Amino acid sequence: QQQVKQSPQSLIVQKGGISIINCAYENTAFDYFPWYQQFPGKGPALLIAIRPDVSEKKEGRFTISFNKSAKQFSLHIMDSQPGDSATYFCAASTEETSGSRLTFGEGTQLTVNP
Amino acid sequence: DAGVTQSPTHLIKTRGQQVTLRCSPKSGHDTVSWYQQALGQGPQFIFQYYEEEERQRGNFPDRFSGHQYPNYSSELNVNALLLGDSALYLCASSLPGGTGREKLFFGSGTQLSVL
Repeated sequence: QQQVKQSPQSLIVQKGGISIINCAYENTAFDYFPWYQQFPGKGPALLIAIRPDVSEKKEGRFTISFNKSAKQFSLHIMDSQPGDSATYFCAASTEETSGSRLTFGEGTQLTVNP
Repeated sequence: DAGVTQSPTHLIKTRGQQVTLRCSPKSGHDTVSWYQQALGQGPQFIFQYYEEEERQRGNFPDRFSGHQYPNYSSELNVNALLLGDSALYLCASSLPGGTGREKLFFGSGTQLSVL
């Protein structure tokens, strides 16, 4: 019940296109959903995060769409650029007073062709 | 601000040996979490340290242990290394007042190879 399922495993998009990565979860206690971007040789970096009380959050070219009833959320990258080529991870977490952990998806390797 | 720094960057060990990985959190951060990232997989939570105590632990055996010092730096120790322990070990820090899940800053990790 702690798993987060991510798809697709890999994604190729043309420059200027829209990249869409999807995640699904089972644990209804999850209340924090961040997306991380990871470049080779680097640690993950926080991109954007959402809580289940809103259905969408936008920051620049990055948008999270959240569907609480379907237990799904997705990352949309508008006007994708070659510099966006990286591995993207969705994650989820429950609020715990004794310290919280992130449960990550398996990752999506995004390639944006020039 | 140097961000989260980890050392060493790479390490090669043999089965049965012991290893210690080190982490200095971002300035102003007091909570340190450790994650294991196998090749091609998402990070998996090992444990979290706050006020020099382990306050949350993932599904990892007792061979994995840690420590946090008064300056908030942290160590991850792995005993009796197995081939399956080969992975990128990531340290993440976060600001005071939280539960260690929001606005995590990750280091670049230590790549551990067990032969």
